[in-house]
Amino acid sequence: AQTVTQSQPEMSVQEAETVTLSCTYDTSENNYYLFWYKQPPSRQMILVIRQEAYKQQNATENRFSVNFQKAAKSFSLKISDSQLGDTAMYFCAFGGRGSTLGRLYFGRGTQLTVWP
Amino acid sequence: DTAVSQTPKYLVTQMGNDKSIKCEQNLGHDTMYWYKQDSKKFLKIMFSYNNKELIINETVPNRFSPKSPDKAHLNLHINSLELGDSAVYFCASSQVLSGGGYNEQFFGPGTRLTVL
Repeated sequence: AQTVTQSQPEMSVQEAETVTLSCTYDTSENNYYLFWYKQPPSRQMILVIRQEAYKQQNATENRFSVNFQKAAKSFSLKISDSQLGDTAMYFCAFGGRGSTLGRLYFGRGTQLTVWP
Repeated sequence: DTAVSQTPKYLVTQMGNDKSIKCEQNLGHDTMYWYKQDSKKFLKIMFSYNNKELIINETVPNRFSPKSPDKAHLNLHINSLELGDSAVYFCASSQVLSGGGYNEQFFGPGTRLTVL
């Protein structure tokens, strides 16, 4: 079974600073996708960034970037120049392409608070 | 122009009642999902339909019955509601790509179900 672990239940950062959220996963599949979703107080699940396992280059989306270490099964999210609107619960998710195609497995989330 | 919509957004009901949650997507996707987010914010997949066919049915009590009248709609009917059914239910959709991959899942706004 696929498992996703987020070891930091809560984190806080000052506005304009950089913060890194950790995620590790366990799978026997070789080809898969990894995602970071954010869930602000509005409850809406919003995709932040995605990474395809066969791509060695780390994905970036504006202030958001990932450090994907396939051998270590690690997928951390770096948020640069943090903004108050980044305050949200962040979920790491694994999506397989083999027998688990169609399922997203989520970590338990990291609550990020950005302070002014 | 809402991509994935759910109705209602809030649902408060008594134990033992039967209720339905509706979901519609206008993204042209062929796969739709139901997730349950518990009080600790853990997200877990319940069901998935691809082109109106059930493809994922996790360990969910048979009081929960999904129905997909067409690939743009996926409804969730719950019989004999119990206290433990209180949660936020998210609908999502994605497009399965040729070659076995799929694009990211787009989530609806969620339905907060409270069983009294």
